[in-house]
This record gives sequence, C-alpha cells and structure tokens, in this order.
Amino acid sequence: AQSVTQLDSQVPVFEEAPVELRCNYSSSVSVYLFWYVQYPNQGLQLLLKYLSGSTLVESINGFEAEFNKSQTSFHLRKPSVHISDTAEYFCAVREWSGNTPLVFGKGTRLSVIA
Amino acid sequence: EAGVVQSPRYKIIEKKQPVAFWCNPISGHNTLYWYLQNLGQGPELLIRYENEEAVDDSQLPKDRFSAERLKGVDSTLKIQPAELGDSAVYLCASSPIAGGQETQYFGPGTRLLVL
Repeated sequence: AQSVTQLDSQVPVFEEAPVELRCNYSSSVSVYLFWYVQYPNQGLQLLLKYLSGSTLVESINGFEAEFNKSQTSFHLRKPSVHISDTAEYFCAVREWSGNTPLVFGKGTRLSVIA
Repeated sequence: EAGVVQSPRYKIIEKKQPVAFWCNPISGHNTLYWYLQNLGQGPELLIRYENEEAVDDSQLPKDRFSAERLKGVDSTLKIQPAELGDSAVYLCASSPIAGGQETQYFGPGTRLLVL
C-alpha cells in the first residue's frame, strides 16, 4: 500500500519569497505523483503531476516539483510566491495500475503574508 | 465546461437522522469517486464507480453508508443513521476514464455537521 507524508502542516511565507512544500511517499510499486491545490471555499484542483520522463514538472502558475526516486520525494517549489497562492496543498500518489486509490497526504497550508 | 456539482453545500442534522448528498459529475466522465475529508486530513476514498458499477467500495462503512449511481451519471451518497463522528466534508470527483494517471476533478464538497 502507498502512503504520503507531508512534513509541514503550515508554512507561512512573505510575498515574493521562495517556498518549498515537502512531500515524501512510500510504495513498493511504481507510482504516479500529484500535487492538488485547494483555494478557500473551492474544490481541489490539479496543480501538476509526474507520470514519466523528465523528473521536473511545472505548472502554469510558476510552481514546479521534482521527482526524486532515491529519496522517494516529490517536493513542490516556487521561486516567488503571491498572495493568491494562499491555499491548502495536497500531495498524492497512485500506483500505475490504477487499481488502488489515490492516496493523499494530510496537506500543507501555505499562508502568504503581504 | 461545467465542473462537478454537489449539493447541498452545507448540512446540519441531529445524530441518528438520515442524510443524503448528491453529485453530478462532469459530462462524459465515466469514473466517479466519493471521498471523506476530516478536518486537518487529506481526502480518503469511500467508493469508486465505473459507469454504474461500484468497483471499489472497500472503505465504505456499509452498516450505515450506501451509495448509488443508477444511470451511470449522477450519484447519491447516503448515511443512515448519522453519528457525531460523521461530521466532515464529503467530496465528489470524476475523471474521464479509469487509470492511475488520470486527473480527478473535484466538486466543492458538502460540509456535514452532526449534532
């Protein structure tokens, strides 16, 4: 079975500063990795995902995540955050077959301070 | 394109009462999911449908929870009777097809409070 650990429950950061949200996973089989974001009063939406190929994946709003197989990590980074990035971020993992559920971490609340 | 629609958005009931949640997935999405999200936790799968068939309901507490997706489109999740510990957010999601790589599209959720 897969599991996900998000090491920080809350991350406060000043506007225009860089941020890293950490995610580690555990699995005995090959997996796909996802970051979902939940803005206040909205549903979860996909931010980015790693399927195969290049280990660095990017989103349209400046976030990026790097798959590190040896460290079983998929940390999310942004070089300069905006107030609008304030949200809850969830890391998730699912095995290639799709026969097991998408497993989420507990989430990290990112608060961007003006 | 309309997103996943859920209703009601909020529900307050007394314990031992029944409650039902409704979900309308994105048009054309064959796969539908119901998740439970407790405060401070990530979503946890309750049940997954492929069209009308429940293909994974191993985490659904079947003594009090039931779900249906009769025509392979809308779905209803029911709790009867509700307990205090059922207070949580119930999320519905859909995806075009099954598969580990598929993006799931989530609705805004129904926030349930059991008194």
